[in-house]
Amino acid sequence: EDQVTQSPEALRLQEGESSSLNCSYTVSGLRGLFWYRQDPGKGPEFLFTLYSAGEEKEKERLKATLTKKESFLHITAPKPEDSATYLCAVQNAGNMLTFGGGTRLMVKP
Amino acid sequence: GAVVSQHPSRVICKSGTSVKIECRSLDFQATTMFWYRQFPKQSLMLMATSNEGSKATYEQGVEKDKFLINHASLTLSTLTVTSAHPEDSSFYICSARTVGGGLKETQYFGPGTRLLVL
Repeated sequence: EDQVTQSPEALRLQEGESSSLNCSYTVSGLRGLFWYRQDPGKGPEFLFTLYSAGEEKEKERLKATLTKKESFLHITAPKPEDSATYLCAVQNAGNMLTFGGGTRLMVKP
Repeated sequence: GAVVSQHPSRVICKSGTSVKIECRSLDFQATTMFWYRQFPKQSLMLMATSNEGSKATYEQGVEKDKFLINHASLTLSTLTVTSAHPEDSSFYICSARTVGGGLKETQYFGPGTRLLVL
């Protein structure tokens, strides 16, 4: 059974304080690892897909990296508007997504 | 990125009535769509997978007679909550998966539908 564990569950940062969110996974035949951002009362917004260990992707203040066991979402100099829940999901060989519990990020000005 | 819409965004209904939620992929064709349910401060729970033109596949514990799914076209899937009860109140989110092309294979999510059953 595929499993995804995200840590921490919640993270409070001061504006400008860089940090990383972790996503540990076990999956049968990884086809892709996805990061989404979800704001309260809204659907998840697609951020990145990573396909193989060693791959990195960046978008503004976010950078996602992938190893064979985990992925990190690095947030550099976050701003209050980065506050959201960040979801990690793995897609297995059968194309099914398994989500982690998410990390609630709060960035204070 | 691809756009997925849902309608309605919010619905309040009386117990015992049925509610239909529409999910559309606006700028791509989706042979596979997914329906999720999300409770407050929890992650998404997959309810069912629907493939265009065939019956939906339901996850364990999801009543297929209560949550009717129709995927009649490559851009539209509907979820009907039949005889809704207060415990069905939740946030329902649909997702559509792209196939190949410039978007690669990615699941894009709709904005969600908040259902409140009184």
